[in-house]
Amino acid sequence: GQQVMQIPQYQHVQEGEDFTTYCNSSTTLSNIQWYKQRPGGHPVFLIQLVKSGEVKKQKRLTFQFGEAKKNSSLHITATQTTDVGTYFCAGRNDYKLSFGAGTTVTVRA
Amino acid sequence: DTEVTQTPKHLVMGMTNKKSLKCEQHMGHRAMYWYKQKAKKPPELMFVYSYEKLSINESVPSRFSPECPNSSLLNLHLHALQPEDSALYLCASSHPGQGINEQFFGPGTRLTVL
Repeated sequence: GQQVMQIPQYQHVQEGEDFTTYCNSSTTLSNIQWYKQRPGGHPVFLIQLVKSGEVKKQKRLTFQFGEAKKNSSLHITATQTTDVGTYFCAGRNDYKLSFGAGTTVTVRA
Repeated sequence: DTEVTQTPKHLVMGMTNKKSLKCEQHMGHRAMYWYKQKAKKPPELMFVYSYEKLSINESVPSRFSPECPNSSLLNLHLHALQPEDSALYLCASSHPGQGINEQFFGPGTRLTVL
């Protein structure tokens, strides 16, 4: 079945620094979604990428979908304390989302 | 209304109890989902309903029984659970189909099985 790997599992970031989380799929994805889950909260949709090589930006967040549609990345610039949480990528196949393990981000002020 | 509601927020039950989790959405979504999430793990898909019909069952044990009474409601009936079933149970909904169909998650029911 479809498997989505995500690294790193944990990211400890100094406030103001940048970081990137990466996802790789064992199969070609029709699209990939990214979610953020705050501590004690539930996953909240951030974005969906569909096209090969697609790049989308949301303020300080930049999302990329690989040319082969098997990998994706999320890059956050100038990290703020509001970025704390776990970021999940999820590969979509029909109605089914296969979540990566998530990257849990903590921020040092 | 872009909210998915779930009740109860917390549930403690014994292994011989029968209980139900409830989920409701009024966004007109015709796909609804149950996920199980253990601490520090990603959500794990259990069931998918599409147009009120069960379309995906991820080999979930029969002690979990889903039900979709109508397009707004989703239930998960629990019976004879095990302590390892303790987890956060998340409901989600989306538009079906291949467009941008973000899943809206509810706040979850935190289940403890004693």
